[in-house]
Amino acid sequence: QKEVEQDPGPLSVPEGAIVSLNCTYSNSAFQYFMWYRQYSRKGPELLMYTYSSGNKEDGRFTAQVDKSSKYISLFIRDSQPSDSATYLCAMSLSGGYQKVTFGTGTKLQVIP
Amino acid sequence: DTAVSQTPKYLVTQMGNDKSIKCEQNLGHDTMYWYKQDSKKFLKIMFSYNNKELIINETVPNRFSPKSPDKAHLNLHINSLELGDSAVYFCAISDPGWGYTFGSGTRLTVV
Repeated sequence: QKEVEQDPGPLSVPEGAIVSLNCTYSNSAFQYFMWYRQYSRKGPELLMYTYSSGNKEDGRFTAQVDKSSKYISLFIRDSQPSDSATYLCAMSLSGGYQKVTFGTGTKLQVIP
Repeated sequence: DTAVSQTPKYLVTQMGNDKSIKCEQNLGHDTMYWYKQDSKKFLKIMFSYNNKELIINETVPNRFSPKSPDKAHLNLHINSLELGDSAVYFCAISDPGWGYTFGSGTRLTVV
């Protein structure tokens, strides 16, 4: 079993839909949680960075962390075709120079 | 001006060859990483250097050798390339409290 599990998709939604992307993890010691977006043939770029449980909002993006369930989510409101990409969840034990463990990514397609 | 730049972007080479990938960062961060992304998009850490010192060395064949000549550079040398080494290799830097900034990747194909 991988430390971080993520449904690979693909997930296809119509433009304007609310998208929910999820990850589960097994290591309860993870404290820092991230979401990265990766366009085709590009490097991942950081979207959201949260510490411990709770919600964080940034524009159309909301990240949720439920440490009791070992479950994190990324919600995208009013999805746009430009949101079409692979979304990778990631987590680490500390915010310092510890290694980050990634999920395998969910491919999202937003259809105009 | 790209924060993390990798060269080359594409590398096609024959089995058994030795090749190097270079990474340069211009943000002045102390920590640099090499990650490997396989065909299923799974990103796995290989190495991490902090201020030219190796701090993370995952289970990677010793055919892979990182070298950090200075804080701004982290190179990856691969000896005796094998078919299974075909992947995208990403260099990254980290900013505590903000996660990674990745380069655009080097797509290695071993034939």
